[in-house]
Amino acid sequence: GAVVSQHPSWVICKSGTSVKIECRSLDFQATTMFWYRQFPKQSLMLMATSNEGSKATYEQGVEKDKFLINHASLTLSTLTVTSAHPEDSSFYICSAPGGQKSEAFFGQGTRLTVV
Amino acid sequence: DAKTTQPPSMDCAEGRAANLPCNHSTISGNEYVYWYRQIHSQGPQYIIHGLKNNETNEMASLIITEDRKSSTLILPHATLRDTAVYYCIVSMNRDDKIIFGKGTRLHILP
Repeated sequence: GAVVSQHPSWVICKSGTSVKIECRSLDFQATTMFWYRQFPKQSLMLMATSNEGSKATYEQGVEKDKFLINHASLTLSTLTVTSAHPEDSSFYICSAPGGQKSEAFFGQGTRLTVV
Repeated sequence: DAKTTQPPSMDCAEGRAANLPCNHSTISGNEYVYWYRQIHSQGPQYIIHGLKNNETNEMASLIITEDRKSSTLILPHATLRDTAVYYCIVSMNRDDKIIFGKGTRLHILP
């Protein structure tokens, strides 16, 4: 079946540094991928839509210069959290419409801790 | 904003059927009802979806009312591994961005 792989599953970084999270569709092509953020005990919040070959579309209130999204190929989207601060600590999740399937598939998530 | 309303939490005894309700009174004619669940610290997992007919797969059954304003997800024999947050989503198709509501936190009691 369709699989979305996200890497790394967890990362700890120092304040001021940048962190890159990868999201890959393993057995299907995804022209669109979505990035979510989830704080403890809260629901998933859509951050942006990643489009292969064009600029990402950001939801209201999400800083595009802080959360850089690159969708360089039909199987890979990356989210870079730039100049990370402790308030950026969160669970980040990507998803993609699943090829020939009728549903979306989600990555395993990346837990980012900024110290 | 999410187009669905779900109870914040529910309990169900292990081995019994878990019935999770969802209201989607503003659903339009071409929108599907999708259900996903999220086990702690994992990405959401697809369960089932439907348009107007009831649906069943190996995981669950989905019952949609005739007016399509509400639906119920049924886990026929709940196990401890079904403890999760269950999200009811209304969407035109799988390519749409998914806007998550707060979901229902299902506790399976041993």
